[in-house]
Amino acid sequence: KQEVTQIPAALSVPEGENLVLNCSFTDSAIYNLQWFRQDPGKGLTSLLLIQSSQREQTSGRLNASLDKSSGRSTLYIAASQPGDSATYLCAVRQAGGTSYGKLTFGQGTILTVHP
Amino acid sequence: DTEVTQTPKHLVMGMTNKKSLKCEQHMGHRAMYWYKQKAKKPPELMFVYSYEKLSINESVPSRFSPECPNSSLLNLHLHALQPEDSALYLCASSQGSIAKNIQYFGAGTRLSVL
Repeated sequence: KQEVTQIPAALSVPEGENLVLNCSFTDSAIYNLQWFRQDPGKGLTSLLLIQSSQREQTSGRLNASLDKSSGRSTLYIAASQPGDSATYLCAVRQAGGTSYGKLTFGQGTILTVHP
Repeated sequence: DTEVTQTPKHLVMGMTNKKSLKCEQHMGHRAMYWYKQKAKKPPELMFVYSYEKLSINESVPSRFSPECPNSSLLNLHLHALQPEDSALYLCASSQGSIAKNIQYFGAGTRLSVL
């Protein structure tokens, strides 16, 4: 059974810092990995999708990397801003087997960026 | 337009009520999903529809009944729910192959069962 772990569970940083969120998964048979942002009481906003054949994806101040063989992904946020405060979730899309296509989420990292 | 619209935003129901949650997308996506999210927990997959056919049911109790009347709509019919079913219910959709594409999520319906 796929298990996804995110470290740290919570992170508080001053504005302007660069930061790294970590995600690990136990089963490397994945199609892709997706990073989401969720504001309190709201739905999920997709940030980046990395296919299993890719090593990284970039969007603005965000950069996500994937090392499928070691079961790890990182989300790098440059020059953090108070508006980045949210819960960040990583999710892996299972390949094959009875869980084909299923998205399995980590518990999330709660990020607070203070002015 | 990458919008998935869910209605209602909030729903309060008793354990004997019957209600429905609705989800709509006009992106031409052929895969649609229902997730359940409890407070401070990640979303958990409930159902997946691919080309209007149910392809994944994650052993969800029968008091939850999904329906996909056409490629743009997804419903979740609720009957005889329990207080522990109170949660944020999220709908998502993705284009084409359910395996390789970005899932776009709606804002969710916050359900309270009294």
